[in-house]
Amino acid sequence: QKEVEQNSGPLSVPEGAIASLNCTYSDRGSQSFFWYRQYSGKSPELIMFIYSNGDKEDGRFTAQLNKASQYVSLLIRDSQPSDSATYLCAVKPYNTDKLIFGTGTRLQVFP
Amino acid sequence: DVKVTQSSRYLVKRTGEKVFLECVQDMDHENMFWYRQDPGLGLRLIYFSYDVKMKEKGDIPEGYSVSREKKERFSLILESASTNQTSMYLCASSLAAHTVDEQFFGPGTRLTVL
Repeated sequence: QKEVEQNSGPLSVPEGAIASLNCTYSDRGSQSFFWYRQYSGKSPELIMFIYSNGDKEDGRFTAQLNKASQYVSLLIRDSQPSDSATYLCAVKPYNTDKLIFGTGTRLQVFP
Repeated sequence: DVKVTQSSRYLVKRTGEKVFLECVQDMDHENMFWYRQDPGLGLRLIYFSYDVKMKEKGDIPEGYSVSREKKERFSLILESASTNQTSMYLCASSLAAHTVDEQFFGPGTRLTVL
């Protein structure tokens, strides 16, 4: 079992819809959770982080964390073609400064 | 604004050559990381450094070594490049011992080994 799992996609959604990206992790002691966006040919950039159970909203983005079920999700409201990218989920295990990355979900937003 | 820079965007080397990839960050971060990214395999950690002259192996250290002589600079060395080391190499840095220690990435170096 991979430590951090994501569906590779592509996830295709129409412009204006809600895109839902999911991630599961295996280490129950994980402390912090990150969503990075990576455009083709570019390096990852952080868009959201969360470390408490529940929802965290930032503009059109909402991160959701459920530690009991060991999943974290990212919702993108009012999706735009410019949101088309690969979204990487990353998890920080307990007592380390390293991050464990999933393989990413490719999102395509079509006009 | 945090800045992580890498010495080259594109690099072409021949099998058996010694290759140096340089990474510099300007935010006084303690931690620095080297990853490689391959299609379908995601980001894999090669080496990690949490202080000057300190290093820790990541998931795939074989065929690589690192050097951290100064806090701001972290070098990845391919002792004898092989074709299976053709990849995108990403450097990152972060503050130490923070719950939310975001990693900031450099632009990447696409290395081709012929």
